[in-house]
Amino acid sequence: SAVISQKPSRDICQRGTSLTIQCQVDSQVTMMFWYRQQPGQSLTLIATANQGSEATYESGFVIDKFPISRPNLTFSTLTVSNMSPEDSSIYLCSVELTGWSYEQYFGPGTRLTVT
Amino acid sequence: QKEVEQNSGPLSVPEGAIASLNCTYSDRGSQSFFWYRQYSGKSPELIMSIYSNGDKEDGRFTAQLNKASQYVSLLIRDSQPSDSATYLCAVNSGTAFSDFQKLVFGTGTRLLVSP
Repeated sequence: SAVISQKPSRDICQRGTSLTIQCQVDSQVTMMFWYRQQPGQSLTLIATANQGSEATYESGFVIDKFPISRPNLTFSTLTVSNMSPEDSSIYLCSVELTGWSYEQYFGPGTRLTVT
Repeated sequence: QKEVEQNSGPLSVPEGAIASLNCTYSDRGSQSFFWYRQYSGKSPELIMSIYSNGDKEDGRFTAQLNKASQYVSLLIRDSQPSDSATYLCAVNSGTAFSDFQKLVFGTGTRLLVSP
């Protein structure tokens, strides 16, 4: 597996503001993913982030609201823009290590509360 | 709409018993299947992956896959109170190469193991 860290671990933000979440991996990976887990719910994929290309967003998620950067093979950021209370959630990054097993490993998550 | 279905539980078993967790999926093209364990307030942890029909054993865990029935299960032998968690079933999202890496998660089954 890999060591995956996320910053911040939690934050309380006011509506209308933006928060950037960082995800750092201790090894180079091609595929990184961003998920949202709302209270009591399962995981929903926001987007897939490959290094050197634009992120691919899932239905219901748009770049203006959730811009993603992937500047190198060990790092990615997700920004939650113009936040509303409905954005209160846990945001998780994951990585696929091998390129063939499709196994994903998750970071510890960022707990976001929007007031 | 690709779906992964799980009974939300809780599934209550006594310590030392076998816990059986079930999952069905809708996409016949799915090739990769995963079980994640998620403790309250923590991120999902990969515990089993299975790609072929039949059983795969790892310690106290056995994953079972039946592609014809679109069914995957997780057995936990000699259940311990520390196994109490939510177990998420995840399935890769289909046949298109661009989708292989994406996972669709079920809503999870909450397992309670009583001492």
